[in-house]
Amino acid sequence: EPEVTQTPSHQVTQMGQEVILRCVPISNHLYFYWYRQILGQKVEFLVSFYNNEISEKSEIFDDQFSVERPDGSNFTLKIRSTKLEDSAMYFCASSWDLGEQFFGPGTRLTVL
Amino acid sequence: SQQGEEDPQALSIQEGENATMNCSYKTSINNLQWYRQNSGRGLVHLILIRSNEREKHSGRLRVTLDTSKKSSSLLITASRAADTASYFCATDPGNYGQNFVFGPGTRLSVLP
Repeated sequence: EPEVTQTPSHQVTQMGQEVILRCVPISNHLYFYWYRQILGQKVEFLVSFYNNEISEKSEIFDDQFSVERPDGSNFTLKIRSTKLEDSAMYFCASSWDLGEQFFGPGTRLTVL
Repeated sequence: SQQGEEDPQALSIQEGENATMNCSYKTSINNLQWYRQNSGRGLVHLILIRSNEREKHSGRLRVTLDTSKKSSSLLITASRAADTASYFCATDPGNYGQNFVFGPGTRLSVLP
């Protein structure tokens, strides 16, 4: 069964460093998303991506964040200069249409 | 309360009992989805119910949707210890937007 994969499973970085979180969505999906979940809190939407451009983004997704689909398979989230409060689980998701979204297992980002 | 609020926040039952979780939301929706998350893990899609549906079944899961009350319920029948997880409802904003709004979740503990 096709699934969304994410790498790495755990990323530790120093405050101020850049990180790139990687996702491989399900191959025939058209919509791609990033969400984050701070420990013990709810899952929050960050950004959605369709047709090679951002279609929606939340207030959390400020200038420090960017997304890219550099090739036909990967979908990345870059945080330019990490802050302590960026520590969270980051989930990638994809969907064929505007219905069910399939989530990856997440990347745990720890900013020291 | 915010869009996609589940209650109760925590529920503890014995194996074999039924578990009912509720979700309330504020704005109109196109669909509502329930997800499960095992501790520290990714989100697993359980069931999607569209705004024109009132009830849906999938195995031991039964979901209802009452758009007049802006609420949904998830019933897990004959619960098992493996059902122990957090359960989230996610709503789309009803304007064919792509971002899901997740509630804070119900933490279900099924005791053997």
